[in-house]
Amino acid sequence: DTEVTQTPKHLVMGMTNKKSLKCEQHMGHRAMYWYKQKAKKPPELMFVYSYEKLSINESVPSRFSPECPNSSLLNLHLHALQPEDSALYLCASSQGWRTSGGTNTGELFFGEGSRLTVL
Amino acid sequence: AQSVSQHNHHVILSEAASLELGCNYSYGGTVNLFWYVQYPGQHLQLLLKYFSGDPLVKGIKGFEAEFIKSKFSFNLRKPSVQWSDTAEYFCAVNGDNNAGNMLTFGGGTRLMVKP
Repeated sequence: DTEVTQTPKHLVMGMTNKKSLKCEQHMGHRAMYWYKQKAKKPPELMFVYSYEKLSINESVPSRFSPECPNSSLLNLHLHALQPEDSALYLCASSQGWRTSGGTNTGELFFGEGSRLTVL
Repeated sequence: AQSVSQHNHHVILSEAASLELGCNYSYGGTVNLFWYVQYPGQHLQLLLKYFSGDPLVKGIKGFEAEFIKSKFSFNLRKPSVQWSDTAEYFCAVNGDNNAGNMLTFGGGTRLMVKP
């Protein structure tokens, strides 16, 4: 079993709906990630939070809005999505890093994902 | 920028056959290398990783991988596959100049093991 928990496991929403995906980890990690995975494709990075600050935003459309309330929680707010946004959304966590240095292993721990279908 | 190539998109083997999945990366600095596995309907799981030291690393379930720096490769091997190894395998790299742990994944290799 993964130590990164994602809810809901499945979500069906219309293009005008507002919904959220949630992710939680209790491994003491200080970095959390959202990846998007289309069928038969590798995961693609969307957002990275380090020490609760948005570190990386890979040019994701504004209809996806991440939020990191604390080091254990990560949300992805969804609004006005398109059918092509249907995918498996993966949350991951890892040791954090500091811009001033420090080391980390680079290993990510993934949740089981939230499968999103946009009608 | 870093990139990862997995040349085998689909592999079909019979049980007990040997497995080798290719992975090549493009990056000029120090890298951390990973193989993840995704069983049908399940989450990504780490098979093995290389950070430094012995270039031959052993992972779970009898898998191993060898880092060959001169070839920019990190191929995954298993001497004898089982039906339960049917899954998608992703090679991933994380370069040392990343502002974070930005894993770049290869395109994946779908392995089917026939019983």
